[in-house]
This record gives sequence, C-alpha cells and structure tokens, in this order.
Amino acid sequence: AQSVSQHNHHVILSEAASLELGCNYSYGGTVNLFWYVQYPGQHLQLLLKYFSGDPLVKGIKGFEAEFIKSKFSFNLRKPSVQWSDTAEYFCAVNAGGGKLIFGQGTELSVKP
Amino acid sequence: EAGVAQSPRYKIIEKRQSVAFWCNPISGHATLYWYQQILGQGPKLLIQFQNNGVVDDSQLPKDRFSAERLKGVDSTLKIQPAKLEDSAVYLCASSSTGQRNTGELFFGEGSRLTVL
Repeated sequence: AQSVSQHNHHVILSEAASLELGCNYSYGGTVNLFWYVQYPGQHLQLLLKYFSGDPLVKGIKGFEAEFIKSKFSFNLRKPSVQWSDTAEYFCAVNAGGGKLIFGQGTELSVKP
Repeated sequence: EAGVAQSPRYKIIEKRQSVAFWCNPISGHATLYWYQQILGQGPKLLIQFQNNGVVDDSQLPKDRFSAERLKGVDSTLKIQPAKLEDSAVYLCASSSTGQRNTGELFFGEGSRLTVL
C-alpha cells in the first residue's frame, strides 16, 4: 500500500536557521509529489509540487524540495527560516486517480 | 476566484447524535474530496467524487458515514450515529483536471467536529 512518512513530528528553529524536513514515500508507480502548508487558522495550501523533469523544484516563499528517486525521498528545504514560516507542513503523494496520500505532518515553530 | 467553502466551521455533539457538513467547491471543479484529519495526523481520504459519481469510497466507514453530490456541484457528508473517535477536522477539497488529475487539490478551511 502507498504510504508517506515524515521524519519529524515537531521542529523548533530560531529565525535565520536553515530548514530541512524529511519525507519518504512508498509507491511503485510514477509519482507526483507535493508539499502542503497549513498556517495557524488557515486552510491547507500548496507549497510546491513535482510532476516530472528537474528533480529540484522551487515553491513559494523561498522553499524548495529535491526528488531523489533512488531514495524515495522528497525533502523540503529553506536556507533561512522566518517567524512567519511557523506552520504545519505535509508531504503528499498522488497515488493515482487524483487521490493524495498525506504524511502525518511536521509542525515547525520558528522562534523570533 | 472564490475558494472552497465549508460549513459549519465548528460543531459539538454528543455521541450517537448525527451531524452533517456541507461543501461548495471552486466553480468548475469536477472532482471533490472529503478528508478526515484527526489531531496529530495527516489528512485521510474518505471519499472522492467525479462530478456526481463516486470514484473512491474505500476508506469511508459506510455503517455510519454517508456522502452525496447529487448535482455534481456541492456535497454533504453525514455521520450518524457519531462516535467519540469521529472527533476530527473534516476537510473538503476540489480539483479541476478530471480523469487525468495529477493531485493538486484546493482545500477549504475545514469543519471541526467534537464528539462528547
């Protein structure tokens, strides 16, 4: 069965620190991969996505993610976090037919 | 462009009562999803509609949950009778690309259910 695993449940960083959130997936077919973000009190919104081509994808607000097929990974990175990046981050894989399988989420707290 | 609308935002009921949630997707979006998000977990798909037909309801607890999308636009999700473990946020999402949907979903703000 398809699954998504996020390595960290809660990450606490100071402003300007670098961020890397791990995501591994289990799916045998062609994958479309996503990172969604949920800011406090807001709805889930797309941060970035990988469909094909360049495995390094850039999203909004300075985030990027790298698809490494051999490692079944799609880690999210940001060189310098801001207090406004405090949110919950979800990795997801398209399991076919438009259905998204989500990881359990990583809560990021950025201290000013 | 208006987003996905959901109501109510919050609902508190006692176990064994019933509850219904409503969702209006983004105009023109053919595919509609209901997800359940339990505290501390990622969203889990309950049901997927394509227009007014069900594409996937394999994770829907059909003994107590039902959903419909009669005219292929808005949708309702009902729980009857509710159990304590149904306490969660119920997320509605929609997408526009039909059968070759690559999975980019647009979410509503969710309906938070507390079962006492």
